[in-house]
Amino acid sequence: GQQLNQSPQSMFIQEGEDVSMNCTSSSIFNTWLWYKQEPGEGPVLLIALYKAGELTSNGRLTAQFGITRKDSFLNISASIPSDVGIYFCAGPTSGTYKYIFGTGTRLKVLA
Amino acid sequence: NAGVTQTPKFRVLKTGQSMTLLCAQDMNHEYMYWYRQDPGMGLRLIHYSVGEGTTAKGEVPDGYNVSRLKKQNFLLGLESAAPSQTSVYFCASSYSSVGEQFFGPGTRLTVL
Repeated sequence: GQQLNQSPQSMFIQEGEDVSMNCTSSSIFNTWLWYKQEPGEGPVLLIALYKAGELTSNGRLTAQFGITRKDSFLNISASIPSDVGIYFCAGPTSGTYKYIFGTGTRLKVLA
Repeated sequence: NAGVTQTPKFRVLKTGQSMTLLCAQDMNHEYMYWYRQDPGMGLRLIHYSVGEGTTAKGEVPDGYNVSRLKKQNFLLGLESAAPSQTSVYFCASSYSSVGEQFFGPGTRLTVL
């Protein structure tokens, strides 16, 4: 079945550094969503992408829908301590109402 | 406007016991979902519903049942709990099949 692979699995960075993470699939997606989950909470949507090649920003976050439609990227600029959490990519499986989620990238920011 | 709420927040069961998790949303969303999240893994879909009175199986449905008798509520039942069902359970809802899913705060379930 369809799977989403996220890398890296975890990152430890210094406050102020930029962060890049990606999500890849063996099959095509028509929508990419990026979520952030903080400890003890449910995931919250950060950015939604609906077109191949689309580049969308939300404050210090920028996400891109890959041209091949098999990948997506999330960048965080000038990281701050509150960026700590797990970042998930997600996309709808073809022909269904169901989303699949990647395994997540765990981000820790050192002050 | 509470969004998506889940009850209870925590629960400990013994093997073989049953329980029901309640999810409620006040956004008039048609689509509702139940996921489980285990350490090191992403969210896995258990069951979902595309409207009142409808339910469908997700990726890991075995051992669970669901009901959507009212549009705003989606119930997840465990008839005979097993230790493998120890997990954090999240409910979500969305206005469309390809739109943002809004998540509840989760229920942490431990089965001894």
